[in-house]
Amino acid sequence: GAVVSQHPSRVICKSGTSVKIECRSLDFQATTMFWYRQFPKQSLMLMATSNEGSKATYEQGVEKDKFLINHASLTLSTLTVTSAHPEDSSFYICSAREGLGASSSYNSPLHFGNGTRLTVT
Amino acid sequence: DQQVKQNSPSLSVQEGRISILNCDYTNSMFDYFLWYKKYPAEGPTFLISISSIKDKNEDGRFTVFLNKSAKHLSLHIVPSQPGDSAVYFCAGYNFNKFYFGSGTKLNVKP
Repeated sequence: GAVVSQHPSRVICKSGTSVKIECRSLDFQATTMFWYRQFPKQSLMLMATSNEGSKATYEQGVEKDKFLINHASLTLSTLTVTSAHPEDSSFYICSAREGLGASSSYNSPLHFGNGTRLTVT
Repeated sequence: DQQVKQNSPSLSVQEGRISILNCDYTNSMFDYFLWYKKYPAEGPTFLISISSIKDKNEDGRFTVFLNKSAKHLSLHIVPSQPGDSAVYFCAGYNFNKFYFGSGTKLNVKP
């Protein structure tokens, strides 16, 4: 089946530094990727929709200057947490939808990475 | 504003019995619903889906029921197996976005 690789799986960084998380679709191309954040015992909260070749679309309340998203190719999206603070500590997970452009519709499966546990000290 | 809610954080069921996982939503514009299954240390994987124009979809041991008037959907697993033990997320789809519930941890006891 389709695989999405997310790296790193865990990262610990100091407050004020930046952290980059990569999301790669390994055996399919994805026009659209999504970034989620999960707090303990809470929903996967959609942060932003990453579209290849264009700017990401951020959900209300998500700081686009803090969470930089780049989707430079059809198989790679990156999330950079800039000037990280302890309150940014969380579980971040990406997902990619199979299909390109018009072939990617609402019933195209979503494939998830295994997530990144970010701890900011 | 949580558009999809799973009010039961956990469920324990005996092997061979039926597991029923529930999900409520507030957004009447969702036109597609999905269930994902998640094992520890892994990302969620797609399980089954249902279009908003249907009220039932069945795939093997898994059946999803949709009650639009009540804004409620449920996942039935019959018969339940120990390997079904995982966290189950329901999600609603609308305008190119998926909105997830907080998950229900299912434990199927041998």
